[in-house]
Amino acid sequence: QVQLQQWGAGLLKPSETLSLTCAVDGGSFIGYYWSWIRQPPGKGLEWIGEINQSGSTNYNPSLKSRVAISVDTSKNQFSLKVSSVAAADTAVYYCARFKGFGINNWFDPWGQGTLVTVSS
Amino acid sequence: SSELTQDPAVSVALGQTVRITCQGDSLRNYYASWYQQKPGQAPVLVIYGKDNRPSGIPDRFSGSSSGNTASLTITGAQAEDEADYYCTSRVFFGGGTKLTVL
Repeated sequence: QVQLQQWGAGLLKPSETLSLTCAVDGGSFIGYYWSWIRQPPGKGLEWIGEINQSGSTNYNPSLKSRVAISVDTSKNQFSLKVSSVAAADTAVYYCARFKGFGINNWFDPWGQGTLVTVSS
Repeated sequence: SSELTQDPAVSVALGQTVRITCQGDSLRNYYASWYQQKPGQAPVLVIYGKDNRPSGIPDRFSGSSSGNTASLTITGAQAEDEADYYCTSRVFFGGGTKLTVL
């Protein structure tokens, strides 16, 4: 059974760069897109972006200028960087596996989440 | 349009049936998937595809779709079903529905 384990810094100052990594344990890296999703406190879920094993990426247009997702297939890991963070970037960040084929699509499993707080 | 609309809150009496809906143009072309999120926890997939449940999800959860509307139905709601429920279509999320079990 695939499990995702994520980690990264939880407290940042404005203008710093957010950096998180997600490790994929127990399953193939191939054939999926690997996503980052965030949830501000008390609010809903927002898709940030995704990457596949070849390094092909897609980003949320609202965040694209500040986001970079990378993959290390030798370690079965993928990472998120968000530059120039502000208070509005305070959220729980999740990694998740995305499966989409034809008209079917879903996120499963999810990482445990990392609370990232941006405060001066 | 990528927007998905959900009712912010729904309530159901214990043991009764509740339907949570999700509306959006993209649902005419893609099935919705549904996630349950309890406080302080990561979302959990409960329905995907036409009406599929991952292993471990009780069969009181079911999904359906018609036109631009997808629905999650809980038949015989239990206290432990009280949670936030989100629909997605591709990478777009609905705003979530807070389900209260009375």
